Amino acid sequence: SYVLTQPPSVSVAPGATARITCAGNNIGSKSVHWYQQKPVQAPILVIYYDTDRPSGIPERFSGSNSGNTATLTISRVEAGDEADYYCQVWDSSSDHSVFGGGTKLTVL
Amino acid sequence: QVRLVESGGGVVQPGRSLRLSCAASGFTYSNYAMHWVRQAPGKGLEWVSIISYGGSNKYYADSVKGRFTISRDDSKNTLYLQMNSLRLEDTAIYYCAREEAGLDYWGQGTLVTVSS
Repeated sequence: SYVLTQPPSVSVAPGATARITCAGNNIGSKSVHWYQQKPVQAPILVIYYDTDRPSGIPERFSGSNSGNTATLTISRVEAGDEADYYCQVWDSSSDHSVFGGGTKLTVL
Repeated sequence: QVRLVESGGGVVQPGRSLRLSCAASGFTYSNYAMHWVRQAPGKGLEWVSIISYGGSNKYYADSVKGRFTISRDDSKNTLYLQMNSLRLEDTAIYYCAREEAGLDYWGQGTLVTVSS
């Protein structure tokens, strides 16, 4: 089955740029979606189809996807961005959706 | 506004059954594929199942295949998850989510606890 690998944690100072990676075999050929989940809350979609932002998501959130790695980039990080972030793809070879293990973003 | 409200969670013994519901409102429910996603305590998100709009296609995670059944009633704007032969490892918050481009709306979840 298809596997997505994320770093367990990323730490950045306020105002810096956070990059959260999502590794998968030839993930560049798939569409990647990213979710933010804060404690005791349901996840929310922050990036869809690799690079697009839903309405209401700040422009500070951006995404890229190429080769074997997709990346969520959060510019000018704020304390309110502290959360768990998950990548997700649809694996058409197995007709399964797959989530990465999640990355905890800590704002120092 | 789009709203998804799960219900039906609770405490159940191993081997027993439970049916979850997800009531949808604020959009044309019949036009959308719907998912169930779960999250065990302190763990990450795990995809469980998807049903296509119209209900003709259904797919399941290997961990629940043969035990769980997803269904929908478009006349009631409701999504279901029938869970049979429950195991301790099925303990989780179960979320329903709408598929648009990604999972664009999620419910608040319902807690299922499998315990003897």
